[in-house]
Amino acid sequence: GQNIDQPTEMTATEGAIVQINCTYQTSGFNGLFWYQQHAGEAPTFLSYNVLDGLEEKGRFSSFLSRSKGYSYLLLKELQMKDSASYLCAVMDSNYQLIWGAGTKLIIKP
Amino acid sequence: GAVVSQHPSRVICKSGTSVKIECRSLDFQATTMFWYRQFPKKSLMLMATSNEGSKATYEQGVEKDKFLINHASLTLSTLTVTSAHPEDSSFYICSARDPGTSGMLETQYFGPGTRLLVL
Repeated sequence: GQNIDQPTEMTATEGAIVQINCTYQTSGFNGLFWYQQHAGEAPTFLSYNVLDGLEEKGRFSSFLSRSKGYSYLLLKELQMKDSASYLCAVMDSNYQLIWGAGTKLIIKP
Repeated sequence: GAVVSQHPSRVICKSGTSVKIECRSLDFQATTMFWYRQFPKKSLMLMATSNEGSKATYEQGVEKDKFLINHASLTLSTLTVTSAHPEDSSFYICSARDPGTSGMLETQYFGPGTRLLVL
């Protein structure tokens, strides 16, 4: 079956760096998405990786290794507003999104 | 874990016809479901919030007469795109809220999406 795994919850300190991992097993691969979702709001697109390597966008970076079925989202210089759920989703060969359950990131002062 | 399904996964229709998309929570009862629209590599745009047994709450700019939402049971919400036009072609995603969570711990489970192409 298809499966996306990411940690349920993580805690980090303001100003620090945190890495949220995502592993996947899907039928085919047409890219991996990371979204940020604050409670009560729609998910916000963060990144899209389809080739191996690191994509950097400001304080956020996303890495993909297709051979390992692995991605991570790296958040630097954490701010309190980064407290949110981070969703990993893979688009399979049928262009369907397979979603992880999300990682709740708690930032402490 | 909780699973949300959508049917159909993809649909092609002629301009002027209506299309119904189903969203089901498979192993929990969802009093609240959400309908989103996604454009390629973009954020999900919330269209409406569907509450079981009551009228849906539509976001500003979303035509309620065009996008009909029915949440007749605790496990099923439907989105009907009426008189579809080519500009309605998009990826529609639903999600269901885990009723046991709220605030920072609120959890939404997302469906795999329905790709609509209107010719």
